[in-house]
Amino acid sequence: SQTIHQWPATLVQPVGSPLSLECTVEGTSNPNLYWYRQAAGRGLQLLFYSVGIGQISSEVPQNLSASRPQDRQFILSSKKLLLSDSGFYLCAWSKGTGLTDTQYFGPGTRLTVL
Amino acid sequence: KQEVTQIPAALSVPEGENLVLNCSFTDSAIYNLQWFRQDPGKGLTSLLLIQSSQREQTSGRLNASLDKSSGRSTLYIAASQPGDSATYLCAVNQNAGNMLTFGGGTRLMVKP
Repeated sequence: SQTIHQWPATLVQPVGSPLSLECTVEGTSNPNLYWYRQAAGRGLQLLFYSVGIGQISSEVPQNLSASRPQDRQFILSSKKLLLSDSGFYLCAWSKGTGLTDTQYFGPGTRLTVL
Repeated sequence: KQEVTQIPAALSVPEGENLVLNCSFTDSAIYNLQWFRQDPGKGLTSLLLIQSSQREQTSGRLNASLDKSSGRSTLYIAASQPGDSATYLCAVNQNAGNMLTFGGGTRLMVKP
């Protein structure tokens, strides 16, 4: 069976510090990978998605970036965090882009920027 | 730009009631619509996926319907239980990248 992991589970960082959140998927190959953010009072917002190694598409311009160094690894990064980066970050995967491909979500990372 | 709206934002019902959660979307050109459940501080769990050519999907006590032409979907929960308490999110898939646009969610509380 497939599983998706995210770490860390929680993170408190000062403004201006760097960020690295990691997401890994087990039990499947060539997944589509997604990063979402859920901020207080706002809905889930798609940040990045990837259909393959080194292929990253950004949905929202911001000071965050994503990378996919391996088939089942997706990393969210920032060089300098802003207060507005606080939120709940969720990674998700799907088998493909077909009509029946649901997305499976990880447990999330709670980021607080002080 | 696709916009997804969920009404009501919050709902409190006694145990055993049947209830309906609503989701509307502005652009009817979708591939599918999905319903998720989110427990506090947790990730999302997929409940049902309705393809654009389908009218409804059922899983246990859950039934989701889709009226693509009017831009509406409903999630029906039968005989609600306290364990159903959670936030329910609907999302539409509008493109080949399987990128989802989410609604704001309905926070459901089922009281014993």
